[in-house]
Amino acid sequence: AQSVTQLDSQVPVFEEAPVELRCNYSSSVSVYLFWYVQYPNQGLQLLLKYLSGSTLVKGINGFEAEFNKSQTSFHLRKPSVHISDTAEYFCAVSQGGSEKLVFGKGTKLTVNP
Amino acid sequence: DAGVIQSPRHEVTEMGQEVTLRCKPISGHNSLFWYRQTMMRGLELLIYFNNNVPIDDSGMPEDRFSAKMPNASFSTLKIQPSEPRDSAVYFCASRNSGANVLTFGAGSRLTVL
Repeated sequence: AQSVTQLDSQVPVFEEAPVELRCNYSSSVSVYLFWYVQYPNQGLQLLLKYLSGSTLVKGINGFEAEFNKSQTSFHLRKPSVHISDTAEYFCAVSQGGSEKLVFGKGTKLTVNP
Repeated sequence: DAGVIQSPRHEVTEMGQEVTLRCKPISGHNSLFWYRQTMMRGLELLIYFNNNVPIDDSGMPEDRFSAKMPNASFSTLKIQPSEPRDSAVYFCASRNSGANVLTFGAGSRLTVL
């Protein structure tokens, strides 16, 4: 079965610092990869997705992620974070052709002034 | 587009009571998913429907949980009888089966005393 590992449950950073949120997945076959963001008391919103093509994917709010097939990783990065980026971030994977989306346990990003 | 609409947003009930959570997917989306979010287990897929038909309910924790989708614009998740360990945020999400991105509702926060 598919699994997703988010290595850090909490990441505190200072405003304007760079950040990387790590994600590894289990499957070695064709996969679709996603990052979602959840602000307090809200549902999940799509940040970015990888379906095929270029391994560097750009999303909303200045975030990007790189698909690394050999390391089965899909880490999320932002070169300079803002206070408003404080939220929980979820990595998710679906096996190509499957309708089921499996989520990691999330990483809480806290941006401090 | 009003997005995925869930009700109620918050429910507090006593152990043993019946709970019904409701979801209206985005018009034109023909796949609907129910997820449960807890601190301990993260986001778990409970059940999903394609064209109003339940496809995979393997995530439904036990017989106390049931879900229906009587038409393309409405789904319910019912817990009878409820227990304190059912306390969680329940999310509904929908998508067009030709797309790969889920759109989530704001969630229903359930507290069972």
